[in-house]
Amino acid sequence: DIQMTQSPSLLSASVGDRVTLNCKASQNIYKNLAWYQQKLGEAPKFLISNANSLQTGIPSRFSGSGSGTDFTLTISSLQPEDFATYFCQQYYSGDTFGAGTKLELK
Amino acid sequence: EVQLVESGGGLVQPGRSLKISCAVSGFTFKNYDMAWVCQAPKKGLEWVATITFDGSTTYYRDSVKGRFTISRDNAKSILYLQMDSLRSEDTATYYCVRPGYGGYDYWGQGVMVTVSS
Repeated sequence: DIQMTQSPSLLSASVGDRVTLNCKASQNIYKNLAWYQQKLGEAPKFLISNANSLQTGIPSRFSGSGSGTDFTLTISSLQPEDFATYFCQQYYSGDTFGAGTKLELK
Repeated sequence: EVQLVESGGGLVQPGRSLKISCAVSGFTFKNYDMAWVCQAPKKGLEWVATITFDGSTTYYRDSVKGRFTISRDNAKSILYLQMDSLRSEDTATYYCVRPGYGGYDYWGQGVMVTVSS
């Protein structure tokens, strides 16, 4: 099974900061990676597919990059509504999620 | 507007059964594969099961094979998950999801299943 490792597990930042969240696959998954945002008590929200394709309605301050085993989600200028937990998911072979990065207000 | 509305969750004793449902609207249900994803309390997300658009093929994670059954009623636009021989480790919020092109593009609000004596 492909394992997904996200880092850091907790990230403290301020409104306006540029932040980068990392996701590493245990083997090559090419660009078969998605990102989700989950706020407390809510269902996950689909942000990015194919490592870098922003879903409709997602603000352009969100961007994804990477291929192979190393991926990043970048938020260019944090807004108050962006404080949440972010998960990556590989769908190259089966379907596995990372443990998440919690983005909290510093 | 796409809506996925789960129901049927609750508290159940270990070894017992529960069936949860997901009523879908806003897209042509019969044209899409569907799936269930779960999230244990304060934990990450795990894929549980997938069913093809016509119900002909199903897939399960190893830990639920032989105990859970995913099914669908395309005439009623409802997805089901029959959970038998429940264990404490099955305690989670279960989300009904639609596989999109690379990821799950629509999610229900989730239904809580608690397995405890």
